[in-house]
Amino acid sequence: SQQGEEDPQALSIQEGENATMNCSYKTSINNLQWYRQNSGRGLVHLILIRSNEREKHSGRLRVTLDTSKKSSSLLITASRAADTASYFCATALGSYIPTFGRGTSLIVHP
Amino acid sequence: GAGVSQTPSNKVTEKGKYVELRCDPISGHTALYWYRQSLGQGPEFLIYFQGTGAADDSGLPNDRFFAVRPEGSVSTLKIQRTERGDSAVYLCASSLDRTSGGRTQYFGPGTRLLVL
Repeated sequence: SQQGEEDPQALSIQEGENATMNCSYKTSINNLQWYRQNSGRGLVHLILIRSNEREKHSGRLRVTLDTSKKSSSLLITASRAADTASYFCATALGSYIPTFGRGTSLIVHP
Repeated sequence: GAGVSQTPSNKVTEKGKYVELRCDPISGHTALYWYRQSLGQGPEFLIYFQGTGAADDSGLPNDRFFAVRPEGSVSTLKIQRTERGDSAVYLCASSLDRTSGGRTQYFGPGTRLLVL
């Protein structure tokens, strides 16, 4: 079963616009991670946010976490065509095994 | 090596055959994971190794699937009597170790398995 569920399933925007993806999960977590995947191949780790953190930044990425609502969001600012990919959230509770959602497919049109 | 590598990158086999998929983790990473990803889905956990031992194999779908990591580095995922439903991308990831709250996993490019 998949713990995290990303929303929307697909997102299409123009270059320069911001992209926001959301992730909801069901149980308590220790941390939540966001990954990117190009063309159905290997995943690239983007950012990890711990359960006691509310917001984290990395370059053009901003991740928020609301444990009371069991949700997280990933914001990509000033998107580029190269940001086109699938984005997954993965949650972990105490264990070493993150559980992935189905992902959001992002298309950035040049 | 610089990252996790997996071989082969693509594998086509016939129903009923045996296949082996190989994963070379990042040097020094003691934790190794196998996932399976079907089209339009997220990675689904199969098995986790800490060192040479399988610490958690609860994700293996049935006894046709088996994985080894005899020297605590390279791992091989073995699938016997393959079925068409086994077709998927098999992803391997490694991390430094297991710590409470999880560690960043570094993924390989995957092996795309097609069972005809």
